[in-house]
Amino acid sequence: LAKTTQPISMDSYEGQEVNITCSHNNIATNDYITWYQQFPSQGPRFIIQGYKTKVTNEVASLFIPADRKSSTLSLPRVSLSDTAVYYCLVGEWATDSWGKLQFGAGTQVVVTP
Amino acid sequence: EAGVAQSPRYKIIEKRQSVAFWCNPISGHATLYWYQQILGQGPKLLIQFQNNGVVDDSQLPKDRFSAERLKGVDSTLKIQPAKLEDSAVYLCASSFPRTYEQYFGPGTRLTVT
Repeated sequence: LAKTTQPISMDSYEGQEVNITCSHNNIATNDYITWYQQFPSQGPRFIIQGYKTKVTNEVASLFIPADRKSSTLSLPRVSLSDTAVYYCLVGEWATDSWGKLQFGAGTQVVVTP
Repeated sequence: EAGVAQSPRYKIIEKRQSVAFWCNPISGHATLYWYQQILGQGPKLLIQFQNNGVVDDSQLPKDRFSAERLKGVDSTLKIQPAKLEDSAVYLCASSFPRTYEQYFGPGTRLTVT
C-alpha cells in the first residue's frame, strides 16, 4: 500500500490560496490520487481526483509531478466555510472499482477572517 | 437525490456486547464500502463490496467483525464482541461502477464503555 504523508495543520486568511502537499513515495502504476474534505460530524466529501499533471474543477486544482511521488491540492481564495480536514487518498483503480484504498491522516485547515 | 443512509447515528454499549450498523447506499451504486474512523485519524477501509461480492476485506478484524450485503443493496456491519478500542465512527460509502467518487453517509458513532 502506498502510504501518504500530509501536514497536520495549516492556517490561512480568507481570500488567500491554500496549497496542501501530500507525499506518496511508494505510489504504484495503477494508483490514482483523490482528495476529500470532511467537516465535523459529517462523512468525507469528494473534491478532486487525478493520475498525473494537472486537474482542475470548479472548487480546486490538483498538481501531480511527473514522478507522482507527491501531489498538491490547491484551494483558490478560501473562505471561512473551507475550514475542514482535507484527506489525501491513494488507491488502485482496477477496471471498475477501487482496490487497496488508504486515507492519509488528514490536514486540518483553519481559515480566519 | 437521496444520499447514503446509516443507522443508528449513535450507539453506546458495554465491552463484550454486540452491535450492528445498517447502511442503505444511493440507488444504483454497485460498490459499497465500510470505514472505521477513530477520533483524530483518517478513515480506515474495513470492507468493500461490489454488488454482493467482497472485493477487499484485508483490514477487517474477522474474529469479531462481520459484514454482509444481501441482494446487492443494503449492508450490515456487526461487531461481536465489542472491545474498548472499537470506539469510533463507522462510515458507509457507495459509488457507481467505473467512477472514482465515493459518497459517504453521516456515520454511526460507537462508544464502547
